[in-house]
Amino acid sequence: DQQVKQNSPSLSVQEGRISILNCDYTNSMFDYFLWYKKYPAEGPTFLISISSIKDKNEDGRFTVFLNKSAKHLSLHIVPSQPGDSAVYFCAASVDANSGYALNFGKGTSLLVTP
Amino acid sequence: DTGVSQNPRHKITKRGQNVTFRCDPISEHNRLYWYRQTLGQGPEFLTYFQNEAQLEKSRLLSDRFSAERPKGSFSTLEIQRTEQGDSAMYLCASSVPLGTSNYEQYFGPGTRLTVT
Repeated sequence: DQQVKQNSPSLSVQEGRISILNCDYTNSMFDYFLWYKKYPAEGPTFLISISSIKDKNEDGRFTVFLNKSAKHLSLHIVPSQPGDSAVYFCAASVDANSGYALNFGKGTSLLVTP
Repeated sequence: DTGVSQNPRHKITKRGQNVTFRCDPISEHNRLYWYRQTLGQGPEFLTYFQNEAQLEKSRLLSDRFSAERPKGSFSTLEIQRTEQGDSAMYLCASSVPLGTSNYEQYFGPGTRLTVT
């Protein structure tokens, strides 16, 4: 069963605008959430993470928001750049301190147009 | 390059043959993970090591799959009697530098397996 869901397979945004990628999860035991970016023929690259004790984490152009009551998180990219075009994966873990596996969504393909 | 490395990058094999992949994690990381990714899906967890101990295996890891991390450094993933359904990208990741609470997993470039 898919415990992490990314319901939008693709998203197109103009350069300079905000990109918002969404992710929903079903397992209330998840306590650590991550976003990865993936280019074709490469492994996923870590972008940003958030612990369940926080509701927001920011790193440069990337901000992740967590809404635990709705079991929803989102990644905001501002401003979007053409180099941001890639597949973005949301991932979640139970008890990250114990080294539990990451559960991934199916990904959202972001296209940033000039 | 101090990232996670994987070899080979591509492997084409005939059904029924055995294949072995290697992963070299980031040197100060004590946790090592194997994932499999098929087209249109996110990576799926296969197994996990803390140092040389294999602590968790997914139900996806059938009896034909075996993984080792003999000295707590590099790891190998072997698939025996390959089947066409084994065709996928096999990803290795490592995490947790000693003495930190940084849980992000860092991925290698993957090994693309094609079983003909």
